[in-house]
Amino acid sequence: GNSVTQMEGPVTLSEEAFLTINCTYTATGYPSLFWYVQYPGEGLQLLLKATKADDKGSNKGFEATYRKETTSFHLEKGSVQVSDSAVYFCALSYNAGNNRKLIWGLGTSLAVNP
Amino acid sequence: ETGVTQSPTHLIKTRGQQVTLRCSSQSGHNTVSWYQQALGQGPQFIFQYYREEENGRGNFPPRFSGLQFPNYSSELNVNALELDDSALYLCASSRTGSSYNSPLHFGNGTRLTVT
Repeated sequence: GNSVTQMEGPVTLSEEAFLTINCTYTATGYPSLFWYVQYPGEGLQLLLKATKADDKGSNKGFEATYRKETTSFHLEKGSVQVSDSAVYFCALSYNAGNNRKLIWGLGTSLAVNP
Repeated sequence: ETGVTQSPTHLIKTRGQQVTLRCSSQSGHNTVSWYQQALGQGPQFIFQYYREEENGRGNFPPRFSGLQFPNYSSELNVNALELDDSALYLCASSRTGSSYNSPLHFGNGTRLTVT
């Protein structure tokens, strides 16, 4: 079946460090891939998405490229800030008949220290 | 553009009671999904409503039920509350019922505590 595997946290970085959060998936067909972010005490916000192979999603300095050959969608940012401290979720979306299915990773907690 | 709003923000209930959570979808969105997020976990899909009908359900018992209204707002009802129902309940809306490309827009959730 379809699944999403995300690297375990917590991840602790210093400000301006490089960030990578790994996400790999298994899926049949051509799913869409998403990264969502959850700041403390809030709901989830869409960070970026990619809907087909080789697409690169980007937002707020974060990037992720849909790699079909390695079934990956790793999240990267060149220079993190304290305000990036949050939980990051990788998600996969596909159609199952008339229904949309969304599968979530377990989330990776990021703490950025000044 | 009005985002997804949920009410109440916090709620404390006793085991065995019933609870109703409310969600107003983002303007222009006709599909609403509900998720349960336990502390430190990812969101778990409860069900989805499109055109006032449930069109997808996760692995939750029948005591979790919902409604969608003509204005696309939605309710989540939970009967016979159990301690394990304590969680953050998230509502998400999207533009079309079956499009898997359209992202979800989440509200800030209702924090339910069952004692």
